Amino acid sequence: AQKITQTQPGMFVQEKEAVTLDCTYDTSDPSYGLFWYKQPSSGEMIFLIYQGSYDQQNATEGRYSLNFQKARKSANLVISASQLGDSAMYFCAMREGRDSGGSNYKLTFGKGTLLTVNP
Amino acid sequence: SQTIHQWPATLVQPVGSPLSLECTVEGTSNPNLYWYRQAAGRGLQLLFYSIGIDQISSEVPQNLSASRPQDRQFILSSKKLLLSDSGFYLCAWSVMVSEQYFGPGTRLTVT
Repeated sequence: AQKITQTQPGMFVQEKEAVTLDCTYDTSDPSYGLFWYKQPSSGEMIFLIYQGSYDQQNATEGRYSLNFQKARKSANLVISASQLGDSAMYFCAMREGRDSGGSNYKLTFGKGTLLTVNP
Repeated sequence: SQTIHQWPATLVQPVGSPLSLECTVEGTSNPNLYWYRQAAGRGLQLLFYSIGIDQISSEVPQNLSASRPQDRQFILSSKKLLLSDSGFYLCAWSVMVSEQYFGPGTRLTVT
């Protein structure tokens, strides 16, 4: 089973509107972290926002917020007031708590959502 | 502030030729280092990660290898490239289990 599922291959949004990018995850580990990255056409992966499994409040970073619903195992990214520069691929990723060697440093990525912001 | 460099930016190599991609990090000590590969239109696949010099873990058995000759230098190598090695290679660093920060990437085409 996939650990990270992004069901929207592509999304369109009008400039200045809000958009939600979906992400569901699968883990039995009580300790985990969820990340969102943006990849513009240049290819570089840009870290956007992080949510820990024990965090009580949803993470926010400027126009980005993470809608964390633990029971549903979802971690959707909300971008408010979309800008043309937000057009990019967006990846959700998860780090599970620990592996057999101790702390787990590995991220598992979803397949991404291509967001297009229309003027 | 921390900076991560990768080179070359693009590379075209024939099948069977060797490969060496380099990644260096500035502005931090003893970072965790990672190599990822991204096939066209796909997500990222972790290839190797290192939590210190001489501590390198391989995630996918293949004809690639990684080395860490210095604390902030991570090298991805191959003795003989395959067509399936084509892709976008990204290096990343982190402090412990925090978020990872990525370099600009190397686009490799094996012909």
